[in-house]
Amino acid sequence: EPEVTQTPSHQVTQMGQEVILRCVPISNHLYFYWYRQILGQKVEFLVSFYNNEISEKSEIFDDQFSVERPDGSNFTLKIRSTKLEDSAMYFCASSGDYGNEQFFGPGTRLTVL
Amino acid sequence: EDQVTQSPEALRLQEGESSSLNCSYTVSGLRGLFWYRQDPGKGPEFLFTLYSAGEEKEKERLKATLTKKESFLHITAPKPEDSATYLCAVQALGGATNKLIFGTGTLLAVQP
Repeated sequence: EPEVTQTPSHQVTQMGQEVILRCVPISNHLYFYWYRQILGQKVEFLVSFYNNEISEKSEIFDDQFSVERPDGSNFTLKIRSTKLEDSAMYFCASSGDYGNEQFFGPGTRLTVL
Repeated sequence: EDQVTQSPEALRLQEGESSSLNCSYTVSGLRGLFWYRQDPGKGPEFLFTLYSAGEEKEKERLKATLTKKESFLHITAPKPEDSATYLCAVQALGGATNKLIFGTGTLLAVQP
């Protein structure tokens, strides 16, 4: 069964460092998303991406964040200068069509020290 | 503002003891309501999509229903392996938005 994969599973970084989180969405899907979940809190939307551009972003997704689909399979989230409050689980998701169910990856746990 | 509220926050059941989880929502227009299961340290696992009031979906011991204001996830004769956090999310109509707005979830523990 096709699934979304994410690497790494856990990333530890120092405050102010850049991190890149990687995702491989389901191969025939067209819509890609990043969400995050701070420990004990709800899953929050960050950004959606379609046709090689951002289609929507939340207030959390400021200038420190960027997304890219560098090739036909990968989808990345870059945080330029990490802050302590960026510590969270980051989930990538994909869907086959607008409004369809979104399938989530296992997540990357980001710890900023 | 679009919002999702889930209750109860936590629920402890004995194996075989049926119950229901509630998800109430306020949204400008509903495109779809989604139920997910989340195990500790894992990503949400898709369960159901409901699009219109009166719709029902079933999968094994789970049945999801939808009204104009809320959705219920009914768990019939649960087993310990049903223990997880159950998340409800809505997707609003209109514009470019297809983001999911999540509730805080219901943590279900089923004891043998």
